[in-house]
Parts: sequence; structure tokens; C-alpha cells
Amino acid sequence: GAGVSQSPSNKVTEKGKDVELRCDPISGHTALYWYRQSLGQGLEFLIYFQGNSAPDKSGLPSDRFSAERTGGSVSTLTIQRTQQEDSAVYLCASSPIPGTLNEQFFGPGTRLTVL
Amino acid sequence: DAKTTQPTSMDCAEGRAANLPCNHSTISGNEYVYWYRQIHSQGPQYIIHGLKNNETNEMASLIITEDRKSSTLILPHATLRDTAVYYCIVRVAYNQGGKLIFGQGTELSVKP
Repeated sequence: GAGVSQSPSNKVTEKGKDVELRCDPISGHTALYWYRQSLGQGLEFLIYFQGNSAPDKSGLPSDRFSAERTGGSVSTLTIQRTQQEDSAVYLCASSPIPGTLNEQFFGPGTRLTVL
Repeated sequence: DAKTTQPTSMDCAEGRAANLPCNHSTISGNEYVYWYRQIHSQGPQYIIHGLKNNETNEMASLIITEDRKSSTLILPHATLRDTAVYYCIVRVAYNQGGKLIFGQGTELSVKP
């Protein structure tokens, strides 16, 4: 079946512009996660959605970052007034049941470059 | 979640077993050991997890010491496609929505 998909695969933007990154999770998966991976750095948790519960935003690095999940499916990560340090690969993952032993399925990521 | 320690890098000959160690000396009784890997330019991929018993699946085996303070991921017959960064993660099954806290991992290079 189809895995997690993300779009665009690559995004180049100018400093100060806003960007939107999209994630389509695996159908039926109730949990959705955003992570990012900066050059030479490990994977960093950003935000987590589970059903109708309030999202866990504890990993968002600043108030320029926000995310939505509409209808319990597609999610959009928005970065306002982008900075060069926002350049990274942004990864989305989904899992069928949150917080259990079920593994997270990752998408291919969106590579964001801020000039 | 307990912190893990892994070697930065390892080499393995193609066709041989790759044994990747992980130390998690502060692991709690309700924490599981998970392994993920990330092949270059791809998202991470789940490999295996365990609590205290050894586990095996089609990808790998997980050996957890009796005191649970360390574990070893075994790829029984490594291929060039197993070249990747391998992450050992320890977490409570139901903590904080299940987010994964990744360390630096071990960069495994499988050589012909």
C-alpha cells in the first residue's frame, strides 16, 4: 500500500518568506509526527498529533513554526519568516496507534533550503 | 526516557554478521529498546524492538542483556544495502505520545 508522502520534495526559499510543507500519512493512521534533521545533526522531534487531542507542540523551536492537521489526515507544517537556520530536511511520520509498540512510518522528507 | 550510547561508526564485510552495540545503563523497567535505521537520503525505517527477551524478525535479531543495561542489534548477513545510520532508542511505550528521541546513532559501512 501507499506509504507516507510529503511534498514538495525540495523547497528553496528566500530568507523572510513563509513556507508550507505537506504530509499525507498512511490511510487510517491516527498519529502523525513532524521531525527535522539539520545538516550533520540528528533527528529532532517537532510536533505530534493524535486524533482530536491537543497536539504536543513541545518540540517546536520558535513561534514561527506551526502545524495543522485537517480532518485527522493531511498535515501542513508552516514556517513563517524563514531564517537560514531553518534549512533542514523535514520528515513526517505516522503510526496506527500512538504511544504503543507500533512503529512509526516515515516519509521521504522535504529538503528546505533558505537562502 | 533513558539515554543511549552507541559507537559513532563501524565497518562490516559484506556477507558477514554486523553486530551493533548500544548501552542504556539507566533504562527503567517499563522502557523498551527500539532500533531504527536511516539509509542516506531516506526517512528512518523501523527495524525491531524488545523489552527483555531476545527478538528476531526478517530484518534482524535483538539481543538484550539480562540486566537490560545494553543490547546488540545483529544483521546476520550484511549486504551493501544495509549501509546506513542505525539508531538505538529507549522509551516507555506510552510516554508523551510516542515521540522518538534520536541520538547520533552508529554509521555502519558494509564493504565488499
